[in-house]
This record gives sequence, structure tokens and C-alpha cells, in this order.
Amino acid sequence: AQTVTQSQPEMSVQEAETVTLSCTYDTSESDYYLFWYKQPPSRQMILVIRQEAYKQQNATENRFSVNFQKAAKSFSLKISDSQLGDAAMYFCAYRSALWAGGSEKLVFGKGTKLTVNP
Amino acid sequence: EAQVTQNPRYLITVTGKKLTVTCSQNMNHEYMSWYRQDPGLGLRQIYYSMNVEVTDKGDVPEGYKVSRKEKRNFPLILESPSPNQTSLYFCASSLLGGDTQYFGPGTRLTVL
Repeated sequence: AQTVTQSQPEMSVQEAETVTLSCTYDTSESDYYLFWYKQPPSRQMILVIRQEAYKQQNATENRFSVNFQKAAKSFSLKISDSQLGDAAMYFCAYRSALWAGGSEKLVFGKGTKLTVNP
Repeated sequence: EAQVTQNPRYLITVTGKKLTVTCSQNMNHEYMSWYRQDPGLGLRQIYYSMNVEVTDKGDVPEGYKVSRKEKRNFPLILESPSPNQTSLYFCASSLLGGDTQYFGPGTRLTVL
């Protein structure tokens, strides 16, 4: 079974600075998706960024980018120019590729609580 | 607006009193799923459905039931709730083989 590990329960960053959240995963599959979800105090689960395992290029969405290291099974999230609105719980998640015989289930890490200091 | 809706958003109930949390999506998604979120545990899948009348257990199905009689709806049923089912519940949906699951706003359930 796949597992996702977020080793940093809490992180803090100064406004306008850069922070990196870590995520590692364990799988024997070659094709899969990886995601970062943000959960602000409203509790809504908001997709931040997604990465397809067969794509070597790291995904980027505005101030959010990932460092995807497939061989190391690492998927870190970098937030540049941090803003107060970035304060939230961040979850890393894994999903098998359906066409590779996997299910649609998302496997989540336990989350990293990010605090942004003004 | 494309969305997943859940009702109720908040519910306080007592042990043993049957309840249903509804979930509906308007995106014509085949796949729907229920997750529960507990502090320090992240989100864990309860049940899922790949299409109408097709449901299967996730990682933590004990104490829950689901049904999928219509494509858009996927209610979660707690026949005899217990305090250990106090949690935050999320419904999610996606296209089969699609890359992104869309989440509802969550239902905060407290069982006394």
C-alpha cells in the first residue's frame, strides 16, 4: 500500500519570504499523481498544485512550485513571497493512475501547519 | 457553478441515533468518495463509488454505509453513530481517470 509522509507537523515563515514543505511517499507504481492541498481555517480543501509522475518538469502555479524527485520519492512544495493568506494546513496526497490498475483513492499525509508571520 | 455540496455542515447528535449526510455534485462525475479527517491522521477514505450502483470500502468503512442510486448523489449513512465517529467529513468527486478530485465544504459531526 502507498504511504505519504510529511515530516514537519508545523512550519513558520515571515511574510514575503520563501518556505519549503516536505513530502515523501512510498510506492512501487511507476505512474501516479501527486498533489498539494491547502486547508485554511474555513476547512475547505483547496487544490494548490498537481504533478503527473511521468512528467519530469516540475509543476508551477504562480507563487507555488514543486520539486519532484521521482527516484527519491520526494515531492516538496515551495511557496515564494509568502502572504498572510497562505497560512493554512497543507496536505500532500498521492493517487495511483487508473490506467495502471490503480484506484482513484487519494492517500494523504498527516499535514503541515504553516504559520505566516507579519 | 461546478461544485460539490454537503449537508448538513454541522451536526451534533447522540449515540445510536441514525443520521445521513448528503453529498451532491453537478459535474457529471463518475467517481465519488467519502473521507474523514481527524487531528494528526490526515484524511482517510471511508467508501467510494465508481458509478451508479457500484460502491466499495475504503480504509475505514466500519460503522458507515453508502448508496449510489443516482450519479450526482452519494449519501453517507451512520446507522448507529458512536463517539469515535466524531470527525470532519468530506465528500469528493472526479471523472474516472481524471486527475483532480473536487471536495465539498466538509461536515463537522459530533456524536455525544
